[in-house]
Amino acid sequence: GNSVTQMEGPVTLSEEAFLTINCTYTATGYPSLFWYVQYPGEGLQLLLKATKADDKGSNKGFEATYRKETTSFHLEKGSVQVSDSAVYFCALSDNDMRFGAGTRLTVKP
Amino acid sequence: EAGVVQSPRYKIIEKKQPVAFWCNPISGHNTLYWYLQNLGQGPELLIRYENEEAVDDSQLPKDRFSAERLKGVDSTLKIQPAELGDSAVYLCASSEFSGLSSYNEQFFGPGTRLTVL
Repeated sequence: GNSVTQMEGPVTLSEEAFLTINCTYTATGYPSLFWYVQYPGEGLQLLLKATKADDKGSNKGFEATYRKETTSFHLEKGSVQVSDSAVYFCALSDNDMRFGAGTRLTVKP
Repeated sequence: EAGVVQSPRYKIIEKKQPVAFWCNPISGHNTLYWYLQNLGQGPELLIRYENEEAVDDSQLPKDRFSAERLKGVDSTLKIQPAELGDSAVYLCASSEFSGLSSYNEQFFGPGTRLTVL
């Protein structure tokens, strides 16, 4: 069945460092791909999405490109802030949303 | 605009006791989801409603779990009796469009953290 595998955490970075969180997927057909973020004590929030191959989703300085040839949707940010500390979930949508296990990011000042 | 509301936020019960969780979706959202999130894992779908109809409950353990969505708005998820392994966060989400839409954005509530002793 369809599934998502994402980079294990936790990830700890200093402020202004470059961030990459890897995500690969297995799917039949052409699912949409998502990154959700969960801040402490809050529900999951959609961070960005891409609905077809080569689409780039972007929001709040984060970017991810839907790569069909490598079945990947890696999350990147050029300069992280302390406020980016959260758990990040990669997900795909076929008939239902399927989530990765999540990657905890901690950014230190 | 109010988001998805869940209550209670935290619940501690002893095993074999019943427990219920309540969810109020965003106004106008026809599709409602219940997810289970174990510690260190991503959410896993338990049940999806389109209006008042449960259209996907294949992952709901029906021997002890039940859900309802009367009038196609609020929903309740119940566990009876609870087991130690049910300790987890129960998330509710809603979306404007059908779950089958690949453009579907789901909006999540803060979850209910259940601890079974």
